[in-house]
Amino acid sequence: KQEVTQIPAALSVPEGENLVLNCSFTDSAIYNLQWFRQDPGKGLTSLLLIQSSQREQTSGRLNASLDKSSGRSTLYIAASQPGDSATYLCAVNPETSGSRLTFGEGTQLTVNP
Amino acid sequence: NAGVTQTPKFRILKIGQSMTLQCTQDMNHNYMYWYRQDPGMGLKLIYYSVGAGITDKGEVPNGYNVSRSTTEDFPLRLELAAPSQTSVYFCASSFNIDMSAYEQYFGPGTRLTVT
Repeated sequence: KQEVTQIPAALSVPEGENLVLNCSFTDSAIYNLQWFRQDPGKGLTSLLLIQSSQREQTSGRLNASLDKSSGRSTLYIAASQPGDSATYLCAVNPETSGSRLTFGEGTQLTVNP
Repeated sequence: NAGVTQTPKFRILKIGQSMTLQCTQDMNHNYMYWYRQDPGMGLKLIYYSVGAGITDKGEVPNGYNVSRSTTEDFPLRLELAAPSQTSVYFCASSFNIDMSAYEQYFGPGTRLTVT
């Protein structure tokens, strides 16, 4: 059974710092991995999707990498801002699941002014 | 496009009551999903559908039912509500072709409390 783990569970950084969020998964047979942002009391906003054949994806200050063989992904946030404060979730799409995502529990990020 | 919409936003149910959570998408996506999120946890899949008339169980289907009569709508039915069903419910959709898997888009959620 696919399991997804996110470390750390919570992270507090000063504004302007570069930071890395980690996601690991137990079964490397995946179609893709998706990073989401969730603000308190809100739904999920998709940030980046990396297909299994890709190594990384970039969107603005965000860069997500994927190492499928080792079961790891990282989300790099450059020059963090207080508006980046949110919970970040990663989810994998296992090849055996027919597009049913398996989610990690998230990393709660606080960026202090 | 409105994307994925869900109603209601909030609901309080008494134990044993029933209700239907509504979900509609206007992106002509073939796949639709229902997830629940308990406090401090990730999302768990309840049911999903690969097209009108086709539904299947996810990880936590007990106590729920779904139907998919149209491409746009995917309602989730709770029968005999229990306190364990207190959660936030998210509907999502995606467009999938063959075995390729694409981005899932989420609705804003329905916060349900069963007392």
